[in-house]
Amino acid sequence: KNEVEQSPQNLTAQEGEFITINCSYSVGISALHWLQQHPGGGIVSLFMLSSGKKKHGRLIATINIQEKHSSLHITASHPRDSAVYICAAYSNRDDKIIFGKGTRLHILP
Amino acid sequence: DTGVSQDPRHKITKRGQNVTFRCDPISEHNRLYWYRQTLGQGPEFLTYFQNEAQLEKSRLLSDRFSAERPKGSFSTLEIQRTEQGDSAMYLCASSQESGAYNEQFFGPGTRLTVL
Repeated sequence: KNEVEQSPQNLTAQEGEFITINCSYSVGISALHWLQQHPGGGIVSLFMLSSGKKKHGRLIATINIQEKHSSLHITASHPRDSAVYICAAYSNRDDKIIFGKGTRLHILP
Repeated sequence: DTGVSQDPRHKITKRGQNVTFRCDPISEHNRLYWYRQTLGQGPEFLTYFQNEAQLEKSRLLSDRFSAERPKGSFSTLEIQRTEQGDSAMYLCASSQESGAYNEQFFGPGTRLTVL
């Protein structure tokens, strides 16, 4: 079992739908990072959080430290949100990042 | 642009050839990381530097792989005698050691295809 698990692996939705991507981890962390990767390969940082909730535009990230779970939500989804979303846990043992396998999101117009 | 840069963005090579990739981190960052990402997977750690010192290498980094960061600024990753299994996206990231956690900033990656 991976130390960082994401679900779903693939998600196709219609434009405008509310999207939720989940991340569960089994290691102790100092922070959790949500990343976006477009087909060209470059990785963009969305949120870094260690507690609570953060919001930026249509994106919201939450984390529950006790349950070792984080969610990324996209409101009013748009085709340009189509990308791979990666959850990355910053281990508090050794400062390493443990990556999830990513969730491939496809928003249909 | 003051982000992390990587060169080249794409590399196609024949099996058995040597390839070298370069990463330029954000200038004030003292840590530099290399990752490999294969299709459908998240990035996997290869190695990291603090300044010019290579502090850790993954078991994924076979003896055909070598990384350097000679002056604590840019880094190179060389793969000797490439194999088809080396085909992947090679990502570089940098961070500034600063306390609670050290957010890593990623470059655009170098996509390697070994024919």
